[in-house]
Amino acid sequence: AQTVTQSQPEMSVQEAETVTLSCTYDTSENNYYLFWYKQPPSRQMILVIRQEAYKQQNATENRFSVNFQKAAKSFSLKISDSQLGDTAMYFCAFMKPSYLNAGNNRKLIWGLGTSLAVNP
Amino acid sequence: GAVVSQHPSRVICKSGTSVKIECRSLDFQATTMFWYRQFPKQSLMLMATSNEGSKATYEQGVEKDKFLINHASLTLSTLTVTSAHPEDSSFYICSALRGLQETQYFGPGTRLLVL
Repeated sequence: AQTVTQSQPEMSVQEAETVTLSCTYDTSENNYYLFWYKQPPSRQMILVIRQEAYKQQNATENRFSVNFQKAAKSFSLKISDSQLGDTAMYFCAFMKPSYLNAGNNRKLIWGLGTSLAVNP
Repeated sequence: GAVVSQHPSRVICKSGTSVKIECRSLDFQATTMFWYRQFPKQSLMLMATSNEGSKATYEQGVEKDKFLINHASLTLSTLTVTSAHPEDSSFYICSALRGLQETQYFGPGTRLLVL
């Protein structure tokens, strides 16, 4: 069974600085998807970034980038130039692609989350 | 973008009544939607997978007769909490799977309080 581990329950960073959130996962599959979602105090779950395992290039979205190390099964999120609005819970998640999911069950496997506080 | 709406955003009801929550994908079709429950400061707990035109798949420990799911169209899934009790008070979130991207997009959630 797949598992996702986020080893940092809480982190803080000063505004404008860079912070890295860690995520490791366990799977025997070769192809899969990895996600970072953000949940601010409003509790709206927002997709931050998505990575396809067969792509070697690390995904980036503006100030957000990942360091995807497939062999090490590591998927860390780097937030550059941190802003106050980045304060949120950040969840790492794993999903097998549809063709590997029996019964069309495309569940996300979630980490426990990292609470990030950006301080002024 | 991929927008998912959820209604109502919050509801207060008396014990024993039923509550229906709607989840809509506004700018894409979703054959698969998901219903989650989230307790404070915790991760999402998947309750069920909703597939358009077929029965929902419930996770172990989730009572299918209590949490009724209907996915009647490619843009709408509903969750009905039947005979709600105070222990059903929680934050319920839906998501819709955008097939080509194999990515779930989330609604804003519904805060349910059962008195």
